Amino acid sequence: NAGVTQTPKFQVLKTGQSMTLQCAQDMNHNSMYWYRQDPGMGLRLIYYSASEGTTDKGEVPNGYNVSRLNKREFSLRLESAAPSQTSVYFCASNLNRGAYEQYFGPGTRLTVT
Amino acid sequence: GQQVMQIPQYQHVQEGEDFTTYCNSSTTLSNIQWYKQRPGGHPVFLIQLVKSGEVKKQKRLTFQFGEAKKNSSLHITATQTTDVGTYFCAETPVNKFYFGSGTKLNVKP
Repeated sequence: NAGVTQTPKFQVLKTGQSMTLQCAQDMNHNSMYWYRQDPGMGLRLIYYSASEGTTDKGEVPNGYNVSRLNKREFSLRLESAAPSQTSVYFCASNLNRGAYEQYFGPGTRLTVT
Repeated sequence: GQQVMQIPQYQHVQEGEDFTTYCNSSTTLSNIQWYKQRPGGHPVFLIQLVKSGEVKKQKRLTFQFGEAKKNSSLHITATQTTDVGTYFCAETPVNKFYFGSGTKLNVKP
């Protein structure tokens, strides 16, 4: 099993450009999450999908959109990138909502200039 | 917003010394999970605490959940260089996860 995979690993964008971060899991998990990690800030939840067909906002959703494409895949889109979105982005999944451990992908390091 | 506060932010220890990180909340926590993130890596789940006063051990790591479910701690006995990394607590109410800001542990050989 590959676990949770993310693409790309690194990305540099100019202000105003758009991009989509891809995430897939092969563990048959129901719930998937997107986080951003900034120095000294821990992990902050951007959006989550408790189950296939549903998505909800987390702590810091502004400037982002998500799509739960199917049970395996959960993508994060930046429509118009801003320097404040420079961060490391992690996708995670778990069996079912908050009561279960999360499995994290390797992360995407995004720089917006 | 932030549900849990984690202290200290940094801890530097000599190999063999003990280490403790604390996770505190002003409200009652549903449950607590602990994660470790090695430098350049991704968070990895360590343990989940659910019951008031719960204590769990994993080799040199001891995890506690306060009696009032408002705080939790992770204690490492006799640190090793392999313990280097950032330790996070996370509260998990229903669908969401709220992570503490983490404690970065550096172990000097």
